[in-house]
Amino acid sequence: NAGVTQTPKFRVLKTGQSMTLLCAQDMNHEYMYWYRQDPGMGLRLIHYSVGEGTTAKGEVPDGYNVSRLKKQNFLLGLESAAPSQTSVYFCASSYGAGDTDTQYFGPGTRLTVL
Amino acid sequence: GQSLEQPSEVTAVEGAIVQINCTYQTSGFYGLSWYQQHDGGAPTFLSYNALDGLEETGRFSSFLSRSDSYGYLLLQELQMKDSASYFCAVPGNNRKLIWGLGTSLAVNP
Repeated sequence: NAGVTQTPKFRVLKTGQSMTLLCAQDMNHEYMYWYRQDPGMGLRLIHYSVGEGTTAKGEVPDGYNVSRLKKQNFLLGLESAAPSQTSVYFCASSYGAGDTDTQYFGPGTRLTVL
Repeated sequence: GQSLEQPSEVTAVEGAIVQINCTYQTSGFYGLSWYQQHDGGAPTFLSYNALDGLEETGRFSSFLSRSDSYGYLLLQELQMKDSASYFCAVPGNNRKLIWGLGTSLAVNP
């Protein structure tokens, strides 16, 4: 069991470039989440999914898109990166609704936008 | 609105006991969660309280008082490896978690 994995672990982008972050989980979880974490800001929810083929906006969705074509994968896209998107991105999954069920986190992707 | 408050920093010595408080404000309430995050690492689940009272798991305990909208995480017999950030979280709208800003715990020898 790998749990939750994220690719890549590190990335440096120039302003305006695009990229996709991949999250994969092998626990057959229904719920998946993308968070960003900035110093002093805690964890902020970007988008989430309650099942295959579904996505919903979180607290800070602007500038990001997501897709959940397969139950085990949750992709986060940045179409035109901005320096304000420099952050650590965490993917998480949970079997049930993540407010009462344990969320399992991936190791994170450290993104720098120049 | 929905919000959580927890201290930004706590310092303690090895072998001591430390309590990290969390007060919350939410429209509905399903329980209080605690997560631990070491520097450079991912958050990991510690505990979840749905009912009032104390839940004990080894050296860590978590307490909830729903009438006071208050909970705490109690860490006993502190070890250097307990140096980390600790986050409380409560359910927000649409069954998503609302996270506190985290408490950075430094354990000194």
